Amino acid sequence: ETGVTQTPRHLVMGMTNKKSLKCEQHLGHNAMYWYKQSAKKPLELMFVYNFKEQTENNSVPSRFSPECPNSSHLFLHLHTLQPEDSALYLCASSGQGAPRDTQYFGPGTRLTVL
Amino acid sequence: QKEVEQNSGPLSVPEGAIASLNCTYSDRGSQSFFWYRQYSGKSPELIMFIYSNGDKEDGRFTAQLNKASQYVSLLIRDSQPSDSATYLCAVITAGGTSYGKLTFGQGTILTVHP
Repeated sequence: ETGVTQTPRHLVMGMTNKKSLKCEQHLGHNAMYWYKQSAKKPLELMFVYNFKEQTENNSVPSRFSPECPNSSHLFLHLHTLQPEDSALYLCASSGQGAPRDTQYFGPGTRLTVL
Repeated sequence: QKEVEQNSGPLSVPEGAIASLNCTYSDRGSQSFFWYRQYSGKSPELIMFIYSNGDKEDGRFTAQLNKASQYVSLLIRDSQPSDSATYLCAVITAGGTSYGKLTFGQGTILTVHP
């Protein structure tokens, strides 16, 4: 595997379900990110982890719970979601060196909440 | 005022023409500027990054940065139908660190017609 991978690619869940999204980066980066992309809206940063430590929580509701066990893996645990949470969830990573701060994205998970 | 502004388009150009995409940003401390391309249903893909005032060329793409005017643009020469996509401008302000907070514009939809 190369780059940034995400699983599952598609997920349909009910409002009472609990599910998790997984992201893995194979680039040797130290920072990982979760973004939400809804229709007609700009990409929204949700969480940032740098060297496994959460450094940004962009006022995300507690029904989204991130976990970063190491610099290569990032999870997003989902519970009691709302239909308006349906969106494309993108993971990205970045590292030191050139090009500075460039973020590389995974393919995304298309989430539908019924 | 939005932090990063783009004309949502759609911008329609004939095949072989130059497509000009524009972006303005509000934070004068912004250090790094990126252009991503996103095909429908796919994740963003990095096209160009630029840090210094002036032009930067890479193949058919030229990024232009004017920090005094807080303006960054992307020119696509010899546009092809395969260039049809949404182009995202992204700006980062955390200079000197190993990660940064990317703020995205809403994207400009480009259509290149044969």
